[in-house]
Amino acid sequence: EDKVVQSPLSLVVHEGDTVTLNCSYEVTNFRSLLWYKQEKKAPTFLFMLTSSGIEKKSGRLSSILDKKELFSILNITATQTGDSAIYLCAGEFNDYKLSFGAGTTVTVRA
Amino acid sequence: NAGVTQTPKFQVLKTGQSMTLQCAQDMNHEYMSWYRQDPGMGLRLIHYSVGAGITDQGEVPNGYNVSRSTTEDFPLRLLSAAPSQTSVYFCASSPLDRVEEQYFGPGTRLTVT
Repeated sequence: EDKVVQSPLSLVVHEGDTVTLNCSYEVTNFRSLLWYKQEKKAPTFLFMLTSSGIEKKSGRLSSILDKKELFSILNITATQTGDSAIYLCAGEFNDYKLSFGAGTTVTVRA
Repeated sequence: NAGVTQTPKFQVLKTGQSMTLQCAQDMNHEYMSWYRQDPGMGLRLIHYSVGAGITDQGEVPNGYNVSRSTTEDFPLRLLSAAPSQTSVYFCASSPLDRVEEQYFGPGTRLTVT
């Protein structure tokens, strides 16, 4: 059974800190690894990763994939209170089906 | 564009009642899906559709039915509600070749007593 595990489940940091979120997966048919941000309501797409070692960046957020060790990390540098959210990792392991991890709740305190 | 819309926003049902959660999108997306989100469990795929007239099961389909008679609409039916179906339900859509970039609706919070 395909599985996505995120750690930690939650963390609290202060503005300006750097945050690293982890996502490991076990799959039978890997296609891509995805990151989403969920604030008060619906998740929004952040990154799609398909190749090992190639960093994707968007502003203060970056992510990288290791297909040999089956994990990905999401980094947030110089955190702001607006980064407070649930960060979801998901795998596209079969056509058109996404498997999500439980999410990491990030709280950034001023 | 309104994007993905869901109705109702909140619903309380008694055990055994049936109801339909509505989902519509105006982006002409082929792919549509339904997820439920429970505390500590992330999003779990219930059913999905790759086009009008085509639906398939996701990870947790039991107790739910779907149909896709038009590209725009993808309703989710609860046949006989159970307390275990208390959850937040999200509908999402995307082009068929960009499932990773699904647009999510605002969600429906369902409580079954």
